[in-house]
Formats: sequence, structure tokens, C-alpha cells
Amino acid sequence: GEDVEQSLFLSVREGDSSVINCTYTDSSSTYLYWYKQEPGAGLQLLTYIFSNMDMKQDQRLTVLLNKKDKHLSLRIADTQTGDSAIYFCAESGDRGSTLGRLYFGRGTQLTVWP
Amino acid sequence: GAGVSQSPSNKVTEKGKDVELRCDPISGHTALYWYRQRLGQGLEFLIYFQGNSAPDKSGLPSDRFSAERTGESVSTLTIQRTQQEDSAVYLCASSLWGGGTDTQYFGPGTRLTVL
Repeated sequence: GEDVEQSLFLSVREGDSSVINCTYTDSSSTYLYWYKQEPGAGLQLLTYIFSNMDMKQDQRLTVLLNKKDKHLSLRIADTQTGDSAIYFCAESGDRGSTLGRLYFGRGTQLTVWP
Repeated sequence: GAGVSQSPSNKVTEKGKDVELRCDPISGHTALYWYRQRLGQGLEFLIYFQGNSAPDKSGLPSDRFSAERTGESVSTLTIQRTQQEDSAVYLCASSLWGGGTDTQYFGPGTRLTVL
């Protein structure tokens, strides 16, 4: 099965909050990331959280980490139409020999309605 | 400074042909990664280069895939005898030193279509 799982679609109205969820399996993950991918563009790092933190806030973005349940979420406050994109959850586990190799979920397509 | 660049941005080829994709990492980044993104899927790790160490090729799906990197600069990913299932976006990323705490910066990708 997949190591990182996300729901595939999320629709919200402009101005509402969006919450994108992710679960992972590797308990040795050191860092967890959220990347944003806009149409035709590469992945843009949005934010990351170290595994010994529960929460990280960065302007409109709030990341919550429940390490016990291996659950990560990204909350976007006051969602705007420009936030419409695919959001990828990724973890950098401590497995294998490749330092820094990231394991990605399939991405959540966020659609923001005006 | 410039980000990670990739060329070509789009490549259409016929089944059985060879293709070569190029990645220019951020200057000074010692680590370079190739990923593949199939339609509707997450990113699949392909190969990793770090400095002068032997590359980690554990993600390459078959022996038709190979990659090279000259020092800490340009990398090329070569796919021989392309198949339709090779159609995907190929993404390159670079980071300063390749550790798990290191941020990876991605290029815009090369969209490969095999007819």
C-alpha cells in the first residue's frame, strides 16, 4: 500500500478555511512537508514541520501534526481563488540509504469557488 | 539567483525512440533528485545524486532508464526504447546537501508523451 495518503479532492468557498489531511506510515519521519503545484508549474514548498512539533503557523497556513496517529493537516485560512492548486504531503523518512528522499502522497486538488 | 531549470518543457516521441531530459540544478546544490509524476499520481522517486558519491538508482523502474550527472552541475535522464507507460511529467529537484532536513527545490518538469 501507499506510505502517504491524502484525499484527492476538496472544494471550498472563497473566504472559508480549507483543511487538507494526510496520513503516513513511517514513524521515523523527521520532517513532513506540504508542497503546492499550480497548473503547468513545478512543486513549490509551502511549509514543513519537524517531527517533534505539534503545530506550526505561517501567515494563513497552519500545520498540525499528530505523531501518535501519524496524521498531518494543512489549514489555509481565508482561502482565495489563487489557492486553487494540488497540494502534496511528503515525508522524509529515515529508511533506506537515500538521505532526503521524499515520499509523496497523490495530492489533493483544492478548488476554491468565488 | 535562478531556480532549477529543466528542458525541454514538453517532449512528444514515438514508442521505441530514445529521449534525453536535462536538469540544471541551483548553483551550489550538491544533491539532485529525479522524480516521475504520472497523471493523477504522486511523485515517484527515480534516482538521487549527492556530490561524488555513487548515485542511488533504487527507484529506476527498468534498465531502460539511466541518468548521469557531471560533478555538481547538469544532470541528464535518458530513457531508451520508450514505452507508452513512460508518459509522465519528469521532475528534477536539487538541495544544498541532501539530508532529510534539507529543502528540495523543484524544477517545472518535462512533460513526456510517448505515442
